[in-house]
Amino acid sequence: QKEVEQNSGPLSVPEGAIASLNCTYSDRGSQSFFWYRQYSGKSPELIMFIYSNGDKEDGRFTAQLNKASQYVSLLIRDSQPSDSATYLCAVNVRGTYKYIFGTGTRLKVLA
Amino acid sequence: GAVVSQHPSRVICKSGTSVKIECRSLDFQATTMFWYRQFPKQSLMLMATSNEGSKATYEQGVEKDKFLINHASLTLSTLTVTSAHPEDSSFYICSAREPRTDGYTFGSGTRLTVV
Repeated sequence: QKEVEQNSGPLSVPEGAIASLNCTYSDRGSQSFFWYRQYSGKSPELIMFIYSNGDKEDGRFTAQLNKASQYVSLLIRDSQPSDSATYLCAVNVRGTYKYIFGTGTRLKVLA
Repeated sequence: GAVVSQHPSRVICKSGTSVKIECRSLDFQATTMFWYRQFPKQSLMLMATSNEGSKATYEQGVEKDKFLINHASLTLSTLTVTSAHPEDSSFYICSAREPRTDGYTFGSGTRLTVV
């Protein structure tokens, strides 16, 4: 059973702080990793994708991938109340276009 | 960026009736679309993979005769919930694979309530 695990949270951080969200996966063959943000009652929206080991930065967001340890993380710098949402990690199923989603981490940024 | 349009956004139907949900890729061709279901406070669960011009591939535990999927063109996939029951009430979301990134672009979702 291929799995993607996330801490459900809620993760509470003060405004302006760095929020760190983590995700582990079981399939060593996974090649593509995505972070989505989902507001309550809405569909997910893509924040970042990462394919290679290391860090990838996009504005206030940094994705980190460590294939040897099978984890991918998302850092949000200068967190804002508008960042409060559920963050979903998605990992591809090797050899397919399918993705397995984690259960999501609920982030609360406190003003 | 890639846009996926999903309709209707909300639907209420009586138990035993059928409901059709449409998913369109507006500015790209989607040979593969995916249908998810999400119950409150839970993650997205993949129901089926819709392939243009061929039969959909259903995930384990999803009844293919109950959830009919048609992907007749490169821009349109439909999900029909047949003989709906209250337990089918959920948030249904379609997505399409965007060729540029291999990521998913999601539709806005359909909130189905069966009464």
